[in-house]
Amino acid sequence: GENVEQHPSTLSVQEGDSAVIKCTYSDSASNYFPWYKQELGKRPQLIIDIRSNVGEKKDQRIAVTLNKTAKHFSLHITETQPEDSAVYFCAAEFYSGGGADGLTFGKGTHLIIQP
Amino acid sequence: DAGVTQSPTHLIKTRGQQVTLRCSPKSGHDTVSWYQQALGQGPQFIFQYYEEEERQRGNFPDRFSGHQFPNYSSELNVNALLLGDSALYLCASSFVTGQETQYFGPGTRLLVL
Repeated sequence: GENVEQHPSTLSVQEGDSAVIKCTYSDSASNYFPWYKQELGKRPQLIIDIRSNVGEKKDQRIAVTLNKTAKHFSLHITETQPEDSAVYFCAAEFYSGGGADGLTFGKGTHLIIQP
Repeated sequence: DAGVTQSPTHLIKTRGQQVTLRCSPKSGHDTVSWYQQALGQGPQFIFQYYEEEERQRGNFPDRFSGHQFPNYSSELNVNALLLGDSALYLCASSFVTGQETQYFGPGTRLLVL
C-alpha cells in the first residue's frame, strides 16, 4: 500500500517568514496530492491540491510543488501570519485494482508562527 | 449548499458495546470515505462507499462495517468496542472517484471507557 512520510513534525517560524513542509510517497501510481490544515478540535480543511499533470500550483501565499520522478511534494507558505498556526497534513491518493480510492495521510506538521 | 455533516458530535461508550456513526455528504457528492484519527496522528482510511457498496478497505478489522443509502448518506458501525477505538471519526465526501477533492465533516469524537 501507499506510505507517506512528512517532515518536519514541528516547525516554528517568525511571523512574516516562509515555511516549507515536505512529503514523500511510495506508490508511483498516485496522481493526486492534497494538503489539509487542521486547527485544534476542527475538521481537516483542504488548502491546496495538485494533480500529477502539473509540477507547481500557487494560490496567494500558498504553493505546492510536485516531483513525480523523486516521489516528493512540498507545501510552501510565504509571509506567514499568526492564523497560519495549525497542524498541516499532506496526503496521497492510493490506487487498488478497482481504481482510485482513499487518501493516505502523513503524520502531520505542527506549524507555530512566532510573533 | 450544505457541507458534510456528521452525527453525533460526541459519544461515550464502554468496552464491548456497539456504536453507529452517521454522515451526510456534501450536496452533489456520491462517494463517502471514513477515516479514524487518533490523537496526534493523521487520519487513517477505514473504507469507502460508492453506489451503496464498499469499494475499498483499509487495514481495519471486520468489527468496522458500514453502509451507504440511496441518498448517498452513510453509516459506520463498530462492534465489540475496544479502548483503542477511542478517536475522532471523520467522514469525507467526494464526487465520483479518482483525483477528486475530498471534503471532511466535523467528525464524531468517540470515547471508549
